[in-house]
Amino acid sequence: AQKVTQAQTEISVVEKEDVTLDCVYETRDTTYYLFWYKQPPSGELVFLIRRNSFDEQNEISGRYSWNFQKSTSSFNFTITASQVVDSAVYFCALSWNPNNDMRFGAGTRLTVKP
Amino acid sequence: DTAVSQTPKYLVTQMGNDKSIKCEQNLGHDTMYWYKQDSKKFLKIMFSYNNKELIINETVPNRFSPKSPDKAHLNLHINSLELGDSAVYFCASSALEFGNTEAFFGQGTRLTVV
Repeated sequence: AQKVTQAQTEISVVEKEDVTLDCVYETRDTTYYLFWYKQPPSGELVFLIRRNSFDEQNEISGRYSWNFQKSTSSFNFTITASQVVDSAVYFCALSWNPNNDMRFGAGTRLTVKP
Repeated sequence: DTAVSQTPKYLVTQMGNDKSIKCEQNLGHDTMYWYKQDSKKFLKIMFSYNNKELIINETVPNRFSPKSPDKAHLNLHINSLELGDSAVYFCASSALEFGNTEAFFGQGTRLTVV
């Protein structure tokens, strides 16, 4: 089955705390791609990162970092020193070849309080 | 310049009506998609088109019919609207299959059927 699980439905933190959003995936394919998208209260879907199955390097972009571990089928997302503007629903997603589909997790609603 | 634009942003209509949502992308992408996001924020693919050809047609009622006049446009027509059709509909595009590049999403169309 091709599936993405985001077990954390909602997370609430206070500004400047670090927070990690979990993503666990299932796929039978050896070539696959993982994504994170952000959906702020305004509703649009904003692309954050794409990772392919052959690249297990972790990535850091400013306060954002991603930890991809094939051994545990996880692609977790950490926000360091969270800010109120980080409040949004965050989606992890999976795609695979050859396919034109992207399976989304159920999303994690992050609330950062001042 | 908006990369993927959908119109209208909000649509309120009565049960039984027929309505269309338009989508245009100016990115030169070959592949376009329609996603539905329900009230619980769950995102599910409805259709995928590659160069005007239907690639994915998930289990969607026949009342939903996508139309792609050219590869820059993918419109969604809905006949005999029902209360359960109320949702946010997202159009998206990508250069190739999802895995090779990220998908860019439109701002969404919030459809309310009363």
